[in-house]
Amino acid sequence: QKEVEQNSGPLSVPEGAIASLNCTYSDRGSQSFFWYRQYSGKSPELIMFIYSNGDKEDGRFTAQLNKASQYVSLLIRDSQPSDSATYLCAVNTGFQKLVFGTGTRLLVSP
Amino acid sequence: KAGVTQTPRYLIKTRGQQVTLSCSPISGHRSVSWYQQTPGQGLQFLFEYFSETQRNKGNFPGRFSGRQFSNSRSEMNVSTLELGDSALYLCASRTGTGVSPLHFGNGTRLTVT
Repeated sequence: QKEVEQNSGPLSVPEGAIASLNCTYSDRGSQSFFWYRQYSGKSPELIMFIYSNGDKEDGRFTAQLNKASQYVSLLIRDSQPSDSATYLCAVNTGFQKLVFGTGTRLLVSP
Repeated sequence: KAGVTQTPRYLIKTRGQQVTLSCSPISGHRSVSWYQQTPGQGLQFLFEYFSETQRNKGNFPGRFSGRQFSNSRSEMNVSTLELGDSALYLCASRTGTGVSPLHFGNGTRLTVT
């Protein structure tokens, strides 16, 4: 079982819709969770992080964490074509190691 | 504040050679991590250094090594290069304490021929 799993996609949504990206992790000792966005040919950039159960909102982005079910998700409201990128979930494991999923490719069509 | 700086941006090496990559973290960040990114495997963790000590290590062979200097700058070395080492090598820094996200450099694209 992989430490962090994401559906590779692509996830296709129309402009203005809500994009929902999901991530599951295996280490129950994981404490903090991060979402990164990576455009083709660029390095990952941080979108937001969460470490408490529940929701955390930042602009059009909402991160949701459920430690009991070991999943974290990212919602993007009012999706724009410029949101088209690969979204990486990263989990800070019990050993303070940040492990990344393979990413979900998001395509937002005009 | 300046971001994470990696040099060089591109490298072309031949099988069997060795290579050294350099990374300067964000000022004040004491932790530097290295990742290998390939299309098939995604971001694979190599190792993390904190205050000149290796704090974590991924599942890579001993040909991959690193070090961190007292000014937090870090180098990664790959010896006896193989074709499969062709990848984007990303360095990232963070404060290293508490909930601290990684901030990535632009990477070094290594091609082994």
